[in-house]
Amino acid sequence: EVQLVESGGGLEQPGGSLSLSCAASGSTFSSHAMSWVRQAPGKGLEWVSVISSGGITHYADSVKGRSTISRDNFKNTLYLQMNSLRVEDTALYYCARYSGNSFSGGFDIWGQGTMVTVSS
Amino acid sequence: SYVLTQPPSVSVAPGKTASITCGGNNIASKSVHWYQQRPGQAPVLVIYYDNDRPSGIPERFSGSNSGNTATLTISRVEAGDEADYYCQVWDSSSDHVVFGGGTKLTVL
Repeated sequence: EVQLVESGGGLEQPGGSLSLSCAASGSTFSSHAMSWVRQAPGKGLEWVSVISSGGITHYADSVKGRSTISRDNFKNTLYLQMNSLRVEDTALYYCARYSGNSFSGGFDIWGQGTMVTVSS
Repeated sequence: SYVLTQPPSVSVAPGKTASITCGGNNIASKSVHWYQQRPGQAPVLVIYYDNDRPSGIPERFSGSNSGNTATLTISRVEAGDEADYYCQVWDSSSDHVVFGGGTKLTVL
């Protein structure tokens, strides 16, 4: 069974940086597109970024220009680097796997999330 | 940017049928996916590509997509179906994933 385990969350100061990781078990990581989705406390799901198996990336307007999504298919790991953190970046950050390599697909596997709190 | 509109809440009695809508401009031209999120848990895919069910999802869950509205239908609702439900699409014109605002399903 494929599992996703996020790490790297914590308390960050406004203007600071964060680096999140998502470790995937199983041997099919490289053939799936991946995504980061976040959820502020008590709020709905908000898409953050996607990356295809070959490295094509897209970002939500709210994080574009200060975020970088990347992946290491040898380490079966997805990453998110975010700079110039804002209070509104406070959220539970989920790693999610696409059912295939198409961005039009659904997210069939989700991690349990890692909490990021941005506060002074 | 593309917008998906869901009702904030839907209530249904046990054993009845719940319908949760997801409105978007010409949404029928897109593939719609639905997620169930119980309190304190990660989302779970319950319907993908409009009306397909992942393995392990009960047949009581079904989907449809026509015109400007996609619908998640839950038949013979059970207490365990009480959760937040989100629709999601890929907007190829903006290269963005879009989620609806979510619908809280309450089982009376």
